[in-house]
Amino acid sequence: EAGVAQSPRYKIIEKRQSVAFWCNPISGHATLYWYQQILGQGPKLLIQFQNNGVVDDSQLPKDRFSAERLKGVDSTLKIQPAKLEDSAVYLCASSRRPAWGETQYFGPGTRLLVL
Amino acid sequence: TQLLEQSPQFLSIQEGENLTVYCNSSSVFSSLQWYRQEPGEGPVLLVTVVTGGEVKKLKRLTFQFGDARKDSSLHITAAQPGDTGLYLCAQETSGSRLTFGEGTQLTVNP
Repeated sequence: EAGVAQSPRYKIIEKRQSVAFWCNPISGHATLYWYQQILGQGPKLLIQFQNNGVVDDSQLPKDRFSAERLKGVDSTLKIQPAKLEDSAVYLCASSRRPAWGETQYFGPGTRLLVL
Repeated sequence: TQLLEQSPQFLSIQEGENLTVYCNSSSVFSSLQWYRQEPGEGPVLLVTVVTGGEVKKLKRLTFQFGDARKDSSLHITAAQPGDTGLYLCAQETSGSRLTFGEGTQLTVNP
């Protein structure tokens, strides 16, 4: 079974530029998550999707971050415009459903450096 | 959302040594998960503990959940270089949302 795929793996941009990340979850997984992991910290949930609907985006900085999962499969996360403090690893995870005890499977992440 | 405190933040040991890392909270955990994250990869689930006092073993790794369900520990016996990584604890809240601690960065030197 293929794991969670993410691209690109690395991205370097200048502040105020835009950037987009892509995630393809494990086949059949209805729930998709985006996390931000700043160096030296644990991952922080940005947004959770159930199929193509948003379940929780309470920690998403909506003035600059947006995410979509239009067909309920793959997802994109966009930052526009980027700030220096957005430098982090952006992790995508998926699970079969948003039920208690369901395992989340993480992708390798996209490492973003904002200069 | 309760904060999860992990200690130590960094740990560097020699191959063959034993070690313990900790995860604590001021509030009761409903359940607790331990993950390992290797460089350049996402976190991988090691174990979930649910019941107070529960002990789970995974080869050389022993996970313990405190009786009051406010703390947990991970003990590694005879550490190997392959154990190197970031060890994260996480609490699951409603809707399967995970809140992670800051992690313990473990380095096992050959």
